[in-house]
Amino acid sequence: TQLLEQSPQFLSIQEGENLTVYCNSSSVFSSLQWYRQEPGEGPVLLVTVVTGGEVKKLKRLTFQFGDARKDSSLHITAAQPGDTGLYLCAGALTSGTYKYIFGTGTRLKVLA
Amino acid sequence: KAGVTQTPRYLIKTRGQQVTLSCSPISGHRSVSWYQQTPGQGLQFLFEYFSETQRNKGNFPGRFSGRQFSNSRSEMNVSTLELGDSALYLCASSRGWGGSNTEAFFGQGTRLTVV
Repeated sequence: TQLLEQSPQFLSIQEGENLTVYCNSSSVFSSLQWYRQEPGEGPVLLVTVVTGGEVKKLKRLTFQFGDARKDSSLHITAAQPGDTGLYLCAGALTSGTYKYIFGTGTRLKVLA
Repeated sequence: KAGVTQTPRYLIKTRGQQVTLSCSPISGHRSVSWYQQTPGQGLQFLFEYFSETQRNKGNFPGRFSGRQFSNSRSEMNVSTLELGDSALYLCASSRGWGGSNTEAFFGQGTRLTVV
C-alpha cells in the first residue's frame, strides 16, 4: 500500500513564527503537489514540484522536493492568520498505473 | 475559465435512499476523480475516470459507483445510504497524467448528510 505520511498532524502557532510541514513516503513520485483547504471548501492547488531537489517559492511559502522524489517539505516564514487551513500533499506514482495519492494532512492554526 | 462545478452543494437524505452527485470538470480536462472527506478519515479516494473509462478505484463498497460522459462530465451514485456516508464529497479534474497534467483542481464539494 502506498502511503504519504504528513507531519505534524496538527500545529498551532503564533503569528510571525516559522514552521515546516513534512510529507514522506517510501514510494517514488513523478510529481508532487501541495494543496491548502479551508473548512467546507475544496482543496486549492499551491504548487507542483517535478524534479528531485527542486525548490519553489510562493511568497512566504517554500516548497522542496527530495532528491529521491520520495518526500517533500513546506516551510512557511512569518506565518499569518490567513495561512490557517489544512495542508495536503499529493503525489503521482511513477509505476505507470496512474495512481495519485493524498497525504494524511496537516491542520495549521495561526493565532493573531 | 470556469472552475470545477459540483451540484448540489448540500443534500440531506434518509437512510436507505440513493443519491446522485454531479461534477462538471474544467474545459479540456479529461480526468475526473472523486473523494470522500470526513473529519475522522481525511480525504479518501473513491474512483477516477479518464475518457469515460474508470482508471482507478479506491476501497469502497459496491454501493458507490460512478460514470463519465463523453463531454467529461461525471456523476457518482451512492445506493442504500448509511449514516456513515455523511461526508463532503469532492470532485477534482485534471488534464491527464505526467508533470503538471496531474494537478488536480477541486470543486467546492457536495455536503451530504444522511439522517
